Amino acid sequence: KQEVTQIPAALSVPEGENLVLNCSFTDSAIYNLQWFRQDPGKGLTSLLLIQSSQREQTSGRLNASLDKSSGRSTLYIAASQPGDSATYLCAYNAGNMLTFGGGTRLMVKP
Amino acid sequence: DTGVSQDPRHKITKRGQNVTFRCDPISEHNRLYWYRQTLGQGPEFLTYFQNEAQLEKSRLLSDRFSAERPKGSFSTLEIQRTEQGDSAMYLCASSQKGGGYGYTFGSGTRLTVV
Repeated sequence: KQEVTQIPAALSVPEGENLVLNCSFTDSAIYNLQWFRQDPGKGLTSLLLIQSSQREQTSGRLNASLDKSSGRSTLYIAASQPGDSATYLCAYNAGNMLTFGGGTRLMVKP
Repeated sequence: DTGVSQDPRHKITKRGQNVTFRCDPISEHNRLYWYRQTLGQGPEFLTYFQNEAQLEKSRLLSDRFSAERPKGSFSTLEIQRTEQGDSAMYLCASSQKGGGYGYTFGSGTRLTVV
């Protein structure tokens, strides 16, 4: 069974800190990897998509990296804000579906 | 195009009743996916369609579950004889073939079985 592990499962930080969320996966034949944000009781909002041939993608204060050979991706959040509080999910695409990790629940305190 | 739409947003039903959810994907996307998410967990794959063909079903999709996409546009997911264990968020997503440009998710349908 292919798996995705996200560490930490939960994180609470003061406003302004830089954060690193980790995602590891066992399937080496991925096409791409996507990071999502999920607010409580809501659907998923796509943050970043990294193709297997890419090393990183950036959008505003977010930067995601991908090391396909080691099965790892990280999401870096710069200068965190209370509005960043949410669950962050990573998922890889091996062709027919996305396989998700369990998520990291982030709380940014004012 | 306003993205992926799901209806209803919330559904409360009594155990044993049948429920049906609808998903309208992004019009240019030929693949449509259903996922289930329980509290505190990541979404789990249920099934997907390419156009009107249902190409893969998870073993999570018991015989009480059926999904259709009759004209290759919107899709419905029906759960018959609901059980309390069916309580979850049901998420729909769409993509262009293979998901090379990523997946777009809807807002989900929250099902509560009482």
